[in-house]
Amino acid sequence: QQQVKQSPQSLIVQKGGISIINCAYENTAFDYFPWYQQFPGKGPALLIAIRPDVSEKKEGRFTISFNKSAKQFSLHIMDSQPGDSATYFCAASFITGGGNKLTFGTGTQLKVEL
Amino acid sequence: DAMVIQNPRYQVTQFGKPVTLSCSQTLNHNVMYWYQQKSSQAPKLLFHYYDKDFNNEADTPDNFQSRRPNTSFCFLDIRSPGLGDAAMYLCATSRADVAGGREQFFGPGTRLTVL
Repeated sequence: QQQVKQSPQSLIVQKGGISIINCAYENTAFDYFPWYQQFPGKGPALLIAIRPDVSEKKEGRFTISFNKSAKQFSLHIMDSQPGDSATYFCAASFITGGGNKLTFGTGTQLKVEL
Repeated sequence: DAMVIQNPRYQVTQFGKPVTLSCSQTLNHNVMYWYQQKSSQAPKLLFHYYDKDFNNEADTPDNFQSRRPNTSFCFLDIRSPGLGDAAMYLCATSRADVAGGREQFFGPGTRLTVL
């Protein structure tokens, strides 16, 4: 089954704190794991992505941790800011039919309070 | 700036009245995708084109069709919209080569309302 489970559904963090969102997948054919950020009324935008041969990837305040044996990965947002308030989707994908087929998690609504 | 453009941004149609949503891209990507995103849900892939090759998802209703007349444009046709088809429709593009980036670039979406 090509499910990606995401938690928590919503998250409130104080400014400057760490936001942590977790995802788990089942299909071992997935070979690319991106995180997307979506603001209301906008399309999703790629934040950061990782491939399964790497256990951690950091870009600025955003870090993905990846545990291949557990089939889990997580997003850490350091020094969270009010501007980070958005919905975050993890996803997993593999190539099929020439395209990069994304399966999204259910989303986490993040609110960063002052 | 290279981008993915969707028109219109908001579309209102009547129950059963065919509607067409449009997507264009200046990224020159050879893969284009259509997603349906209902309120507070994740985007769900409907189908994608790799060049002119159409790839339908198994659970996409027959009511949804697509056309890609050239590299830059892709259309989503909903033949007989039902109330359950009200959603945001997202177009995305990507390159096809595995060695390159796997990133999908999303347009701003078209919000479809069915009356």
